[in-house]
Formats: sequence, C-alpha cells, structure tokens
Amino acid sequence: NAGVMQNPRHLVRRRGQEARLRCSPMKGHSHVYWYRQLPEEGLKFMVYLQKENIIDESGMPKERFSAEFPKEGPSILRIQQVVRGDSAAYFCASSPIEMNTEAFFGQGTRLTVV
Amino acid sequence: GIQVEQSPPDLILQEGANSTLRCNFSDSVNNLQWFHQNPWGQLINLFYIPSGTKQNGRLSATTVATERYSLLYISSSQTTDSGVYFCAVPSSNTGKLIFGQGTTLQVKP
Repeated sequence: NAGVMQNPRHLVRRRGQEARLRCSPMKGHSHVYWYRQLPEEGLKFMVYLQKENIIDESGMPKERFSAEFPKEGPSILRIQQVVRGDSAAYFCASSPIEMNTEAFFGQGTRLTVV
Repeated sequence: GIQVEQSPPDLILQEGANSTLRCNFSDSVNNLQWFHQNPWGQLINLFYIPSGTKQNGRLSATTVATERYSLLYISSSQTTDSGVYFCAVPSSNTGKLIFGQGTTLQVKP
C-alpha cells in the first residue's frame, strides 16, 4: 500500500528556469493539498485540488505558480521563472475525503534555486 | 483565520527524560494532527486526535477541544526522537491544515 509519492526528491534550478513538482496521492485518495516549507519555518498551505478541479488556491502566489490534478496521472505544481526566494521544501498531502480525515504527506521535494 | 501556537519553541533533553509539548489553537476545530519531522525532512504522522487521549508506544497525545489545546507526551526519550514536532488543525471545510511553528527537540545521548 504505497503512500503519497513525490518526485523528484531534490531539484536544482537556475534563476529563470521552470520547476515541475509531481505528486501521486495514496491509492483511493482523490483530494490533494500542496504545502510549502521555507527554511526554519512551518508548513504553509498553497492549494487544494480534486481531480480536474482547483478547489482552494488561496495560498498560491498570484504569479508564476500554478497547479493541476488531471483525470489521469499525478498532480503537478509548476513554478515558472524561479527566483531564489522559491527555494523551499514542497510537500504534498492526500486524503480520501475533504473533511475530518487524516492527511498523509509525501516525502517532499526540496527545490534549490541557484 | 485560525491561529496555532506551539510551545516551547526549542527543547533539549537528556536521553531517558520525559517531555510535554503543547499546541494551542484559537478556534474550535473538528480534528487535530501531530507530526514529527525527522532530521531528513520527512513528515511522519503521529496522531490524528480530534479529542480525548491516544497512546502509541512511548508517545501519547491528549486533545481538550473545549479548551482549545492539545498535548504531546514523550516518555523515555531517545536520540531518534530528535526533530521538529508540528501540530496542525483544519482551517475550513476544505480540510486544508494550518500548522504551528513547531517545537524543535534535541535529545542528547
């Protein structure tokens, strides 16, 4: 019973490049959440998706960031034209339903912008 | 929005000691989770505990929802307990979690 799978584990990008982070939820889970953890800080919510729908993107920066969860395949968090301040750990969580259920997290993707 | 505060921010223990970590939240919640982030950055689920008390080995947790706090007890601490402990509560009906700033625990041999 595989858990939440994220890849890559580590990603290095030069300023101005694009970063694509992938998240496959646990089997049977149709709700995906993305969080960002800046160095020495707690996790901050970014976006909540169900299959083919963005439900809540209140934590997403207004520019350069986008997310999708297609009918087939993993959820993708895309960061265009990365800047040094985007360097962080990005975690994905999944749950079977949206309310009052335990969330399970992937191992995270550590993005370093050089 | 809901605020989550954890205390203490940092804790240093000698191996074998016991400790209590606290999580206060500013509004009523339907659930609460405790996580351990190990030194490699992985987030490990410890407890899903909307109310009451749960135990898992040397760890136990108690949530008193009416008084808006939760406690995580670590007994007979080991060096492998080192890391950051987070509590998190949902902020809305969408289930997104609001995390505290964490308690950084260092257990010395």
